[in-house]
This record gives sequence, structure tokens and C-alpha cells, in this order.
Amino acid sequence: AQSVTQLGSHVSVSEGALVLLRCNYSSSVPPYLFWYVQYPNQGLQLLLKYTTGATLVKGINGFEAEFKKSETSFHLTKPSAHMSDAAEYFCAVSDTGGADGLTFGKGTHLIIQP
Amino acid sequence: NAGVTQTPKFQVLKTGQSMTLQCAQDMNHNSMYWYRQDPGMGLRLIYYSASEGTTDKGEVPNGYNVSRLNKREFSLRLESAAPSQTSVYFCASSGLDRGKETQYFGPGTRLLVL
Repeated sequence: AQSVTQLGSHVSVSEGALVLLRCNYSSSVPPYLFWYVQYPNQGLQLLLKYTTGATLVKGINGFEAEFKKSETSFHLTKPSAHMSDAAEYFCAVSDTGGADGLTFGKGTHLIIQP
Repeated sequence: NAGVTQTPKFQVLKTGQSMTLQCAQDMNHNSMYWYRQDPGMGLRLIYYSASEGTTDKGEVPNGYNVSRLNKREFSLRLESAAPSQTSVYFCASSGLDRGKETQYFGPGTRLLVL
């Protein structure tokens, strides 16, 4: 069975500082990995995804994530936080690319301090 | 394209009442999904449909039924609502994005069961 652990239910950073949101996964086969963002009272929007190939994945809004098989991690980063980045972020994993659904982490609420 | 649409946006039910949550997508996707989101729990898969005419249970199917009415529509029914079903419900559909399977989410239905 696959699972996702997101370290830190809340992360607070200053505007302009580095954003680092942590995600570790477990999977019995090479995983497909996703990061989604959820703004208040909205649905989920895909930030980026890893399927195969290059381990550094660039997404929308300046975010990127690196797949590290040896560490079973897929941490999300952004060099400089903006106030508009305040949202809930979810890491998700699938063994099948998502055809039979995604397994989500519990989410990390990102707070941006002015 | 409207993407994934859900109705209603909000609903209040009394314990024991029934209701159907509607979902439609206009992206010609084969696969559709129902998730529920609870505070501190992330999203959990209730049911999914890999194609028209097929449905499968996800992680938390108890108390729910689904119908894949046609390729566009996938409904979720609560036959006898319970307070434990108070949640935000998200529908999603899955299709190819630049050759890779990607899930797209609707805006959600907020359900309160008293």
C-alpha cells in the first residue's frame, strides 16, 4: 500500500524567504508524485508532477520539486515566497499514474509573514 | 471549457435524509473520482469510475453509492446521511496532459449533516 507523510501541518515563512514543504512517500513500485495547491474555499490545482525522467520538476508559480528515490522524498520548494502563495499544499502519490485514484498527504498550511 | 463542475455548492441535511451530489466534466475524460476532505485528514478516495459503466470502491466507501450516468456525469448518493459525513466533497476527472495522466478537480460541495 502506498502512503504519504507531509512533515509540518503549518509552515510559516517571511515574504521573500525560501519555501520548503516536505513530503515523504512509501510505494512498492516506482511512484507517480504530485503536488496540489488549494486556496481558501476552492478546489485543488495541480502545481507539478513527477512521472519518469528528470528528477527535478518545475511547476507553476515558480515552484519546483525534486524526486529523491534514495530518500523517498519529493519536497516542494520556491526560492522567494510571495503573499499570494499562502494556501494549503497537498502531496499525493500513485502507483498507477492516478488511474485508480491518488493517495494524499494530510496537507501543509503555508503562512506568509509580511 | 468549464472543466469539472459540481452541484450544489452547499447543503445542510438532517440525520437520515438522503441526497445526491452531482458532478460533470466536459473534457472527455474516461476516469472520474469522488473524494472527501476533512480537517487534518487530507483527501480520501470514496469511489472512482475508470470508464462509463464501471465503478470501484476507494478507501472510504461506506455510506455512499455512486452512479456513472454517462461519460460526462458521475453522481454520489448518501442514502441516509450521518453527522460523520459532514465534509467537503470533491469530484475529479482524469485525462492526459502532455502525455501524462493528470487529475482535475471541481470546486467542491460543502455538506453539513445535523
